[in-house]
Amino acid sequence: EDQVTQSPEALRLQEGESSSLNCSYTVSGLRGLFWYRQDPGKGPEFLFTLYSAGEEKEKERLKATLTKKESFLHITAPKPEDSATYLCAVRHGSSNTGKLIFGQGTTLQVKP
Amino acid sequence: DAGVIQSPRHEVTEMGQEVTLRCKPISGHDYLFWYRQTMMRGLELLIYFNNNVPIDDSGMPEDRFSAKMPNASFSTLKIQPSEPRDSAVYFCASSFHGAPGTEAFFGQGTRLTVV
Repeated sequence: EDQVTQSPEALRLQEGESSSLNCSYTVSGLRGLFWYRQDPGKGPEFLFTLYSAGEEKEKERLKATLTKKESFLHITAPKPEDSATYLCAVRHGSSNTGKLIFGQGTTLQVKP
Repeated sequence: DAGVIQSPRHEVTEMGQEVTLRCKPISGHDYLFWYRQTMMRGLELLIYFNNNVPIDDSGMPEDRFSAKMPNASFSTLKIQPSEPRDSAVYFCASSFHGAPGTEAFFGQGTRLTVV
């Protein structure tokens, strides 16, 4: 069965303290791994798509990487405005079914 | 484009009443997804459409839930009759072609409270 597991569930960092969030997945025929950011009371906001093992994407203080079994979202020198829930999702299928499955998310709090 | 538009933003209803949630996807997108989000279960995929046709409704929890997409610019999710355990935030999302890796864009959600 396709599965997406994120860890940790919650993470508290001091401003400037770098760390990583993990997304482990079990899926048949990965057709994209996605990272989203969700602020309270809002819908998830797209950050990155990764297609194949070894791929990396960067945006400001965030960097996403992908292996055959997991993805990491590295946060370098985070600021309080990076506080949010970060969601990982996978798109799968031997055919182009388009189904998008999410993990439970990691809630990040960055203290000044 | 204004993005994915959902209405209403908040809905409070009494148990047993019918509830209809509405979604306008991004113009040109051919995939539409309905998700439900709760603290306990996170984001659950309820149903998704491709070119207005339902492809997978295996996530719809019960027959009380139904979804339609009469045209490319409008979809509804209906709950009849509603129950307190249906209280959650319901999100609609859309994407283009559903091609490998194509991201989905989310609406702001409808917070449903059933009392």
